[in-house]
Order: sequence, then structure tokens, then C-alpha cells
Amino acid sequence: QKEVEQDPGPLSVPEGAIVSLNCTYSNSAFQYFMWYRQYSRKGPELLMYTYSSGNKEDGRFTAQVDKSSKYISLFIRDSQPSDSATYLCATTGGFKTIFGAGTRLFVKA
Amino acid sequence: GAVVSQHPSRVICKSGTSVKIECRSLDFQATTMFWYRQFPKQSLMLMATSNEGSKATYEQGVEKDKFLINHASLTLSTLTVTSAHPEDSSFYICSARDTLGAIGYNEQFFGPGTRLTVL
Repeated sequence: QKEVEQDPGPLSVPEGAIVSLNCTYSNSAFQYFMWYRQYSRKGPELLMYTYSSGNKEDGRFTAQVDKSSKYISLFIRDSQPSDSATYLCATTGGFKTIFGAGTRLFVKA
Repeated sequence: GAVVSQHPSRVICKSGTSVKIECRSLDFQATTMFWYRQFPKQSLMLMATSNEGSKATYEQGVEKDKFLINHASLTLSTLTVTSAHPEDSSFYICSARDTLGAIGYNEQFFGPGTRLTVL
């Protein structure tokens, strides 16, 4: 079992749709949970991070962590074509960061 | 925000040659840098952790004699792919940890990546 599981997609949605991206993780010791966005042929950039359970909102993006079910979510409201990218969830409980496989998102105009 | 640069951004080389990739933290000090490899449509695979002034720690299955890592200063780490072969063709990405970061979990900042093609 991988430590972080993420459906690679691809996920295709029309512009303006609400996008839901999800991951599960296996180690209950993980405390920090991150979402990175990676455009094609570029390095990942941090979108949001959360500590422990709860929600965090930043503009059109909402990150959600449910530690009881070991479930991580990222919601994108009013999706735009510029949101088209690969979204990687990640977690760390110590020194290393463990990444999910990344979900490829396409937002069609 | 913190900036990490990589050089070169793209390199094409012949099989059997060595290639050096540089990773620099431009506006912060990074005692720790990470090297990742990413194949098309796959996630980041950690290759090694580079600590300034000491030997790198390699992940299982990564050949340390093939992927030489040097972290000689707080702002520079290099990855040298020795005797490169076509199967080494990949996207190599470094990240640097801001040791003075206030976020709490020691945020990593990623470089833009280096695309290596071995003919």
C-alpha cells in the first residue's frame, strides 16, 4: 500500500465547475498536509497547507483534512482554464515529504 | 516568496557522458536540499536528501555512484549524472528547505526542473 494514494485522472471539467480532488494516506502520524500545483514541464508550487484536521480557505481554493478517515481534499470553485495543471497532494510527519501521484486537471473554456 | 533556480533547464547529451545539474536557493539559506526525479505522468520520486557539508542520503534503489550529489554551500547543491544512459532521461527537480521558515513544517521550495534527454 502506498503511503499516499491519489487518483491520477485525468479529470476534465467545464469552466466554472467546482472541482474536487482527493487523496488518502496511511500513516496516522502525518501532521502536515499540502497541495501543490504543477504546470507542464515546471516544478511544483505550494498552493496550500493545513495542519491536522480542519478546513482552510484561500480565494477559490479550500483544503480539507479529515484525520479520522485519513482523507485529504482540495476544492476549486469557479474553475478556470488557467487552473489546468497537475495537482499533487503531499504530507509529512517529520523530515520527508511524501507525494501522491498527482491528478491531471483540465478545465475546458 | 523564496526562489529556487536550476541550471540548465534542458540538456541533451550522448550516452556515456556525465551531466551536472545545479540547484540554487536565491534568497534564503538551505541546509537541506532534495533531489527528485519525475517520469512523464508520474509523481515525484525522491532520489536523495542533500545536507550542506555532509554526505547525501540516498533513497533505496538509487545508485549513489551514478547520481553524485554535492552540497558545498548553503545555497548550492549539484547533481551529477555519471555515464548517462537513455533510461536516465527524465525530469529532475530539486527543492530547498528554508531553515528559517516561520511556517512550522519547514516548507520546501521547488526549482523549475531540468529535463535530461540521453541519446
